[in-house]
Order: sequence, then C-alpha cells, then structure tokens
Amino acid sequence: DTAVSQTPKYLVTQMGNDKSIKCEQNLGHDTMYWYKQDSKKFLKIMFSYNNKELIINETVPNRFSPKSPDKAHLNLHINSLELGDSAVYFCASSQRRQVAGNTIYFGEGSWLTVV
Amino acid sequence: QKEVEQDPGPLSVPEGAIVSLNCTYSNSAFQYFMWYRQYSRKGPELLMYTYSSGNKEDGRFTAQVDKSSKYISLFIRDSQPSDSATYLCAMTGFNQAGTALIFGKGTTLSVSS
Repeated sequence: DTAVSQTPKYLVTQMGNDKSIKCEQNLGHDTMYWYKQDSKKFLKIMFSYNNKELIINETVPNRFSPKSPDKAHLNLHINSLELGDSAVYFCASSQRRQVAGNTIYFGEGSWLTVV
Repeated sequence: QKEVEQDPGPLSVPEGAIVSLNCTYSNSAFQYFMWYRQYSRKGPELLMYTYSSGNKEDGRFTAQVDKSSKYISLFIRDSQPSDSATYLCAMTGFNQAGTALIFGKGTTLSVSS
C-alpha cells in the first residue's frame, strides 16, 4: 500500500483553467504538506496542515488554495493556471508538526504542465 | 545569497568510488540537518538526519556537519549503480511547529557499472 498517494500523476492543462490535485496518506500522521519542485529541482514548502489546521502558509499566489477535509487528506486547488505554475507538486506527511528530526514521507509527485 | 547552496552537478563516478556531496548554508540558527535521496520520477526519501555538529554513519553513508564552517557533507562509500539519484540536503533551525525545512537544489549523481 502506498503511504502517501496523490492523483493525478500527470496533468496537462491550458492557461486559465482550474485544477485540483488530491492527496491521501494512510500512515495515521497528523501533519501534511504541499511542496513545489520547479524545473531546476528546487523543492520548496507551500503549505502545511496539522489536524486540518493550517500551520505553514508560505508566500504563494492566492490562486493556490489547500483544503483538508480530514487529517488523512490534503488537496490542492489551483485557479486560473499560469505557465509559471508548471512544476512537480509533492504531497507529504509526518507524524508530528515539528519538522526537525521528524521524517517527512513524500508522495510520488504530480507533474503539472500548463500550456 | 541563498540560504542553502548545493552544487547541482551532475556528478558521474564509477562503481565502487567514494562520493562526497556537500552543502553550505548561511543561517547560523540551523541545527537540524537532513539528506534526502530522490530517484527519477519519485518523491524524496529521508536518508540521514543529524543534529548539530558531528558525524553520523549508517552503512555505506556518513553524514558530517561542521557548524563553524556552515558546511555539511554526505559521503557514500563503495558507490553502487542503485545510488544513482538526486541527493538533496535539507535543514531547519527550530524544533517547533510552523517551521519549514529549507532544501538545497540537489546534486544529481550517476554511478556507472
């Protein structure tokens, strides 16, 4: 069973569209994350939720909205997609909300291409 | 200057070589240091974790932290083709909620048989 699963794995869409990426973890973890990895492989935190509460909200456009219906799920909705949104989006989870020394488990990524 | 600097490579070595991967950082508050390995088309996975300065060994992998120089290293002994991946260093300063890991850009390693 995949610990952190996200769908879709590949997504090609046109500028201006709205799309969602879904994420589920079956590890029983309290904390979930969205990371963005750009074309240069730079991995950067976008959001973090702990028990459905937003605890990290980095400077990302408000076109990006995370939603956590329960602690096992953290979905990412993106409005009005732009070319610069093309990247790999990783969902992740960890047992505790403190990142230091806390293993973060990543999903396999969702490759978003905006054309 | 970026908070975490890492040479992206690529780094190509023959099987059996000793590999040295490095990161430098500028924030003296960083205390927790991690190395993640990322295979192509996969998510990163935690390899090593070190707190403060010192060495940590796990099988063929050794992580070193030199806080005085703001420099961390990952050594891979007897490298194998299966070690071919991108290695990302990551670090953070405080063990508290709301603190994010800061990642380096990753070094791509290729080990040839």
